[in-house]
Amino acid sequence: GAVVSQHPSRVICKSGTSVKIECRSLDFQATTMFWYRQFPKQSLMLMATSNEGSKATYEQGVEKDKFLINHASLTLSTLTVTSAHPEDSSFYICSASRGGQDTQYFGPGTRLTVL
Amino acid sequence: QQQVKQSPQSLIVQKGGISIINCAYENTAFDYFPWYQQFPGKGPALLIAIRPDVSEKKEGRFTISFNKSAKQFSLHIMDSQPGDSATYFCAASRAGNQFYFGTGTSLTVIP
Repeated sequence: GAVVSQHPSRVICKSGTSVKIECRSLDFQATTMFWYRQFPKQSLMLMATSNEGSKATYEQGVEKDKFLINHASLTLSTLTVTSAHPEDSSFYICSASRGGQDTQYFGPGTRLTVL
Repeated sequence: QQQVKQSPQSLIVQKGGISIINCAYENTAFDYFPWYQQFPGKGPALLIAIRPDVSEKKEGRFTISFNKSAKQFSLHIMDSQPGDSATYFCAASRAGNQFYFGTGTSLTVIP
């Protein structure tokens, strides 16, 4: 149990376009979902925390108008990278939690490359 | 300020040996300490976790040792195998809220 999926697994886009990444909890309801960014050989950097039905809480330094997060249901959260630039190229990982003292279950990640 | 400090950054162990990765934390309010295993191009997978009411937890070849007074915890991988070669992250959280991750340890197990 506790499986989290992400789609797409890889995406290549042109500079200036927007890209949407989906994160789904397949077999449980996720009260909270988290979005991380990871650079090569580095740790996970938390971008934002989202609770179902409410606005996401962004970490300091993360542009909320650039990284739009929607947590429309207890099984789906989306991250939209708007007007993508090459410096947005990275590995984006979501995680989901059932809340309370539950752990975080991670998705397989999405590799974004902006040309 | 790094909430969780992890060492070493990289580790090379012979097959069959013991791999030990250490983490230290500052916030005494943390009450959940998981370890994650990550293979290249994949998301982190929960390996084993401990809460501060116990000093050790063992699952198969993986053991967490927890020292509350020293604010330290470590992952021991017994009988290390080449398939264990991955990056390992420790983390700490309070009441299931934000997780603070260590900087990661790249483990290589050589045959």
